[in-house]
Amino acid sequence: EDKVVQSPLSLVVHEGDTVTLNCSYEVTNFRSLLWYKQEKKAPTFLFMLTSSGIEKKSGRLSSILDKKELSSILNITATQTGDSAIYLCAVRYGGSQGNLIFGKGTKLSVKP
Amino acid sequence: NAGVTQTPKFRVLKTGQSMTLLCAQDMNHEYMYWYRQDPGMGLRLIHYSVGEGTTAKGEVPDGYNVSRLKKQNFLLGLESAAPSQTSVYFCASSYGGEPRTEAFFGQGTRLTVV
Repeated sequence: EDKVVQSPLSLVVHEGDTVTLNCSYEVTNFRSLLWYKQEKKAPTFLFMLTSSGIEKKSGRLSSILDKKELSSILNITATQTGDSAIYLCAVRYGGSQGNLIFGKGTKLSVKP
Repeated sequence: NAGVTQTPKFRVLKTGQSMTLLCAQDMNHEYMYWYRQDPGMGLRLIHYSVGEGTTAKGEVPDGYNVSRLKKQNFLLGLESAAPSQTSVYFCASSYGGEPRTEAFFGQGTRLTVV
């Protein structure tokens, strides 16, 4: 069965801490891995990863893919209360590339 | 530029009633998706479409039907609503044919079945 597993499911940190969120996958014919941030409504896109070992970076957020380990991490440095959200990992796979499945998400709470 | 628009935003149904959720995108995307989101369950794929006139089942298709008669629209139907279908429904769309394409989401439809 194709699946995406995220860990931890929830995390509470204080402002200024660094966090690492994990995503692992088991799918047939992997195409790409995507990270999204979801606050109150629709998920918003963060990163797309297709190649192993190449870090994507945006401000305090960064992500990297390890195709050998079938996993990805999302790092957030110097966390702020505005980083509080659910972080979703998704994987595009399959022959038609139409299949896009998500993990259950990691709920991050950043305390002042 | 509207992006992905879902209607309605909220709906309350009685068990056994039917309804259709409409998703419209103005980005000329090939791929469209319907997800449901329940607490602690992430986003689960219901059905998806890789082009006009095509549909395919996702992870949780039972109780739902879809149609993609026009490229810009993807309809999700509930023929006989059940309380288990109470959820927040998200539509998404993306370009096709390349792995390097993120999905853009609508604002969601909160459906309650009583």
